[in-house]
Amino acid sequence: GESVGLHLPTLSVQEGDNSIINCAYSNSASDYFIWYKQESGKGPQFIIDIRSNMDKRQGQRVTVLLNKTVKHLSLQIAATQPGDSAVYFCAENIDSGGSNYKLTFGKGTLLTVNP
Amino acid sequence: AAGVIQSPRHLIKEKRETATLKCYPIPRHDTVYWYQQGPGQDPQFLISFYEKMQSDKGSIPDRFSAQQFSDYHSELNMSSLELGDSALYFCASSARDWRTEQFFGPGTRLTVL
Repeated sequence: GESVGLHLPTLSVQEGDNSIINCAYSNSASDYFIWYKQESGKGPQFIIDIRSNMDKRQGQRVTVLLNKTVKHLSLQIAATQPGDSAVYFCAENIDSGGSNYKLTFGKGTLLTVNP
Repeated sequence: AAGVIQSPRHLIKEKRETATLKCYPIPRHDTVYWYQQGPGQDPQFLISFYEKMQSDKGSIPDRFSAQQFSDYHSELNMSSLELGDSALYFCASSARDWRTEQFFGPGTRLTVL
């Protein structure tokens, strides 16, 4: 079936470096994507989102890039800090009609920031 | 700011027992979503409610049922529990708006022995 998935299950970076987490999706009808951060024992926390009519969106220290041609999106974290260590999920929000905005999550990437 | 509240935070049950998980959405949020996250897995959508009506259904076993009440809180009822039901169960809520962010609760960790 159609799904959202991540290329790399783990990523280890040095504090201060930039991090890039990738995600591939297969549903060509997808038009809204969200990146979530999940720390151990906690619920997913919204980081940034992007709609399909955009190819780039920036937040504080984070940038999401969307390439609809190859169905790929990435999350870039600038100057990665130890507090950024967590599992990162991309999620696809499909408008299935009415108020149905269920999220389809991809496989998470564990980001470890070394001091 | 008020967040999504889930109770209990931890629950231990025996096989074939029943469990009830509760979710209290953020005030003025009228949509609730339930997700199941197995160990090392990504969250999987179970079911959602909008204005007390079921709005979408995912991979929810027939042994599970859920509802949303007049105060918008939701309960997930799980019967005939199996070992494989051990997981984190998250509730998320959103306001009635196009593409509104879903805010997640801290989750309920269910362990079935």
